[in-house]
Amino acid sequence: DTEVTQTPKHLVMGMTNKKSLKCEQHMGHRAMYWYKQKAKKPPELMFVYSYEKLSINESVPSRFSPECPNSSLLNLHLHALQPEDSALYLCASSQAQSSGNTIYFGEGSWLTVV
Amino acid sequence: AQTVTQSQPEMSVQEAETVTLSCTYDTSENNYYLFWYKQPPSRQMILVIRQEAYKQQNATENRFSVNFQKAAKSFSLKISDSQLGDTAMYFCAFMKPFLFGNEKLTFGTGTRLTIIP
Repeated sequence: DTEVTQTPKHLVMGMTNKKSLKCEQHMGHRAMYWYKQKAKKPPELMFVYSYEKLSINESVPSRFSPECPNSSLLNLHLHALQPEDSALYLCASSQAQSSGNTIYFGEGSWLTVV
Repeated sequence: AQTVTQSQPEMSVQEAETVTLSCTYDTSENNYYLFWYKQPPSRQMILVIRQEAYKQQNATENRFSVNFQKAAKSFSLKISDSQLGDTAMYFCAFMKPFLFGNEKLTFGTGTRLTIIP
């Protein structure tokens, strides 16, 4: 069973909607990640939060807005998305105590933009 | 920049047989980590095994083992006594270590493995 929990599992939204994806972990990890995965492709890193601060933004369009309210929670706010943003969004976490941390993934949120 | 290559897009094997998935990578780093993740049809990315580059000993996890050849930059995964539940997409991944979790996984393109009953 995954210890990284993502909600919702499936989301359908219109291009003018505002929605959010949520992620929670209770492993005491201090780094959290958002990855995007298109069909039949490997995941691609979007954002990294380290100790609740945004540390990496892989040049992601501003229609994706991450938020880390505390060390256990990670949100991805979605606004004015395009159909090509339809994908599986994977949240992940790691200990971040030193280096070489194993990254653990959640089950993902399927997003469809119509 | 690092690259990871998985040259076998698809493989299939009979249940209970042994199968080996190939992975090569390119890096100028000396210290790094390698992973195999599996992604079954449920789409959750599950860690299979992890290898530290500074360790010569190959990692093993039950039926899963790796053949890590640092000089050749090769990192293959062997699955012994394959089971139906092993059917999944398998991704090889490279990670350069950074402090405080600022670490990125560079994935290969994946190998779709099917276990035949």
